[in-house]
Amino acid sequence: DSGVTQTPKHLITATGQRVTLRCSPRSGDLSVYWYQQSLDQGLQFLIQYYNGEERAKGNILERFSAQQFPDLHSELNLSSLELGDSALYFCASSGAGTGTEKLFFGSGTQLSVL
Amino acid sequence: GEDVEQSLFLSVREGDSSVINCTYTDSSSTYLYWYKQEPGAGLQLLTYIFSNMDMKQDQRLTVLLNKKDKHLSLRIADTQTGDSAIYFCAERKAAGNKLTFGGGTRVLVKP
Repeated sequence: DSGVTQTPKHLITATGQRVTLRCSPRSGDLSVYWYQQSLDQGLQFLIQYYNGEERAKGNILERFSAQQFPDLHSELNLSSLELGDSALYFCASSGAGTGTEKLFFGSGTQLSVL
Repeated sequence: GEDVEQSLFLSVREGDSSVINCTYTDSSSTYLYWYKQEPGAGLQLLTYIFSNMDMKQDQRLTVLLNKKDKHLSLRIADTQTGDSAIYFCAERKAAGNKLTFGGGTRVLVKP
């Protein structure tokens, strides 16, 4: 158990809909990262937050947004969903100071857009 | 990711050693990682190496880093059936903390 919790584990929805994926980082970790894993694109970095502030942005679509709350949990919002958004979405967290080099991943949210 | 490349598949007999290879392109990478993903599960951090090291050993795992050739390898000694999984290498660049992953190597351990 990595200590990173993601909910829900599975999500089935229709095209055009909006969903929210939730992530609770390991206790004490300040950074949260979101990744998308798909068969054709592999593991793609979406976005990183550090202590509530956006730190880095990757290949995140404009239809997607994220935020990190004061209690450090994070949410990834996906809107106007398309079939191609079906993927496994991972959240990872890392610590502060000497702990920043290790990223621990949650078990992911499997999103199916029908 | 295009910056990190791995072979797609490796088959090995139980008890033999497995060697999984990875190449990366960014010479400024600070850390390099190996993650394991079992079916239906998340990414498990196996080990990582700082870029100024050549080798790191952790029980059955040995990581070798050749900075000149930008080549990273993971050796698993005495491979077990439980080692069957997809193994991802990843690099962390000097700027920022995000990791860039390779496409993963599927390792199949045959009894």
